[in-house]
Amino acid sequence: NAGVTQTPKFQVLKTGQSMTLQCAQDMNHNSMYWYRQDPGMGLRLIYYSASEGTTDKGEVPNGYNVSRLNKREFSLRLESAAPSQTSVYFCASSGDGRIQYFGAGTRLSVL
Amino acid sequence: SQQGEEDPQALSIQEGENATMNCSYKTSINNLQWYRQNSGRGLVHLILIRSNEREKHSGRLRVTLDTSKKSSSLLITASRAADTASYFCATDKDDYKLSFGAGTTVTVRA
Repeated sequence: NAGVTQTPKFQVLKTGQSMTLQCAQDMNHNSMYWYRQDPGMGLRLIYYSASEGTTDKGEVPNGYNVSRLNKREFSLRLESAAPSQTSVYFCASSGDGRIQYFGAGTRLSVL
Repeated sequence: SQQGEEDPQALSIQEGENATMNCSYKTSINNLQWYRQNSGRGLVHLILIRSNEREKHSGRLRVTLDTSKKSSSLLITASRAADTASYFCATDKDDYKLSFGAGTTVTVRA
């Protein structure tokens, strides 16, 4: 029972490089979310997908794009990474739109 | 902007003692949840309390909600070393999004 799986677990990028963070859930949840967590700031919502085929901006969407590939998968893309995007990224999913289930996170450093 | 704010930022207690942390929020809510995050891991849902509820229990956890004061508290009784973690409150309204506070870091000393 994997739950929410994020890949990769760690990544180091140079400024200007691009990358895609992958997220998959096996709980048949409709809603999926991407957050970033910075020291002392809790979690901030980047983008979310309330259901397959829809995506919406969260609190801090600038510099990111998302794709809801199918019901299971929700990817986050950094087109041109910046040092300010150094953070820990979490994907989450929800079946009822309330309780969320989180992946283990991707630790990203942008040099 | 973050809706919830936890207090204190950090808490250190002896094993067996109780730990209490508080969450204040700014606007009306439908539900308030508490999550735990162990070091280097993702968040884990602990408990959800609806806006029309005042108190809820789950094992050693007790959550209260005072909507008139826009505040909630989480009490962990008889703490154990395994309770060492960060605890976050999260509020939601109508749009399937949660707003998280910055968290309280709890250290349980053996």
